[in-house]
Amino acid sequence: QLQLQQSGPGLVKPSQTLSLTCAISGDNVSSNTAAWSWIRQSPSRGLEWLGRTYYLSRWYYDYASSVRGRITIRPDTSKNQFSLQLNSVTPEDTAMYYCASSPEGGGSSEFDSWGQGTLVTVSS
Amino acid sequence: DIQMTQSPSTLSASVGDRVTITCRATQSIDRWLAWYQQKPGQAPKLLIYDASSLQTGVPSRFSGSGSGTEFTLTVSSLQPEDFATYYCQQYRSYSPYTFGQGTKLEIK
Repeated sequence: QLQLQQSGPGLVKPSQTLSLTCAISGDNVSSNTAAWSWIRQSPSRGLEWLGRTYYLSRWYYDYASSVRGRITIRPDTSKNQFSLQLNSVTPEDTAMYYCASSPEGGGSSEFDSWGQGTLVTVSS
Repeated sequence: DIQMTQSPSTLSASVGDRVTITCRATQSIDRWLAWYQQKPGQAPKLLIYDASSLQTGVPSRFSGSGSGTEFTLTVSSLQPEDFATYYCQQYRSYSPYTFGQGTKLEIK
């Protein structure tokens, strides 16, 4: 049974970097039959996919254009987890952040497992 | 980006009712559509994938249909635990994946 456990701070100051981690149990971050995404949810933007990473002989990364240039998703094979970094945050980045998995590596598919969510507030 | 529009935004119904939620895409997504249920304070939960395939463990009163640009989620006989918010999501294109704005199913 795949489980995703999120961790990270709930308060970030404007212009600083948001950092979250998603620990995987029941699967491997290097699996070639899974992709690992970050999604956020806010009243103003609804559910918004931010990006993903997956492994097919090498690591691949796809990012939404809305955050490209500010986002990095990084796998950590030693700890079987992946992380989200979002730079130069503003109050508009305040949202509930979720990690999620898809049962297909390089293709497109649904999100069949989700982390518990982390409410991140951007405020000084 | 492919935009997803759900209707209605809010739906009031009673236990035992049959209800249908519609999701429309701005371009054809074949059958690359998923439905999720979200309860307050919880992450979304996958109900349906590939437009009509029931996720393991999801009750058979949930069903999905459609292809191209128009899709429906039907609950055949509402149970008390089904009152929640429902979202559709397209995965025809991961650049980017997009969700509908949600349909809140309320008790009448």
